[in-house]
Amino acid sequence: IAGITQAPTSQILAAGRRMTLRCTQDMRHNAMYWYRQDLGLGLRLIHYSNTAGTTGKGEVPDGYSVSRANTDDFPLTLASAVPSQTSVYFCASSDGLAGVDTQYFGPGTRLTVL
Amino acid sequence: AQSVTQLGSHVSVSEGALVLLRCNYSSSVPPYLFWYVQYPNQGLQLLLKYTSAATLVKGINGFEAEFKKSETSFHLTKPSAHMSDAAEYFCAVSAGNTDKLIFGTGTRLQVFP
Repeated sequence: IAGITQAPTSQILAAGRRMTLRCTQDMRHNAMYWYRQDLGLGLRLIHYSNTAGTTGKGEVPDGYSVSRANTDDFPLTLASAVPSQTSVYFCASSDGLAGVDTQYFGPGTRLTVL
Repeated sequence: AQSVTQLGSHVSVSEGALVLLRCNYSSSVPPYLFWYVQYPNQGLQLLLKYTSAATLVKGINGFEAEFKKSETSFHLTKPSAHMSDAAEYFCAVSAGNTDKLIFGTGTRLQVFP
């Protein structure tokens, strides 16, 4: 069982470019999440989806969009990247709600926007 | 609203020494509390969680945490540190049956031989 896979592992991107970070889970979890991790700030929730077909905004959603067309995939898109979006991005999933159930995290994508 | 404060961004201990990582929370409702660990270049994984049952919670790798309502704390401890415990540790809080988990800023644990 792979759990959660993320692609790419790392990416250097020019400012203004569009970028999609991919996330796939094979655990048939209902809920999926995108976080960004920045030094000194911990993890901050960008967007989440409690079930396929629904999405919600987290703490820092501006500049990001997501879709949840099926249970397994939860891509995160940066429409026009800016340097402040340089970060490590983690995708996670849980069977139930994040406030109760264990979240399982992917290995992360390190994104640098120049 | 919920929040957590982790006291000390870095903690260093000798191998075999007690590990104590501090977490204080703020919550307007009875909280659910979590500790996650992140090993270098990996995602986070759950160490343990408190969901209003026993106040002393035992987790993986010999870690445990005690929920103290009077002190609004959920400190993580391990009696004897091992080199493999070197990692970043995150405390997190939720309002229970909700879809959001609020993470602290993390504490990096270094273990010296």
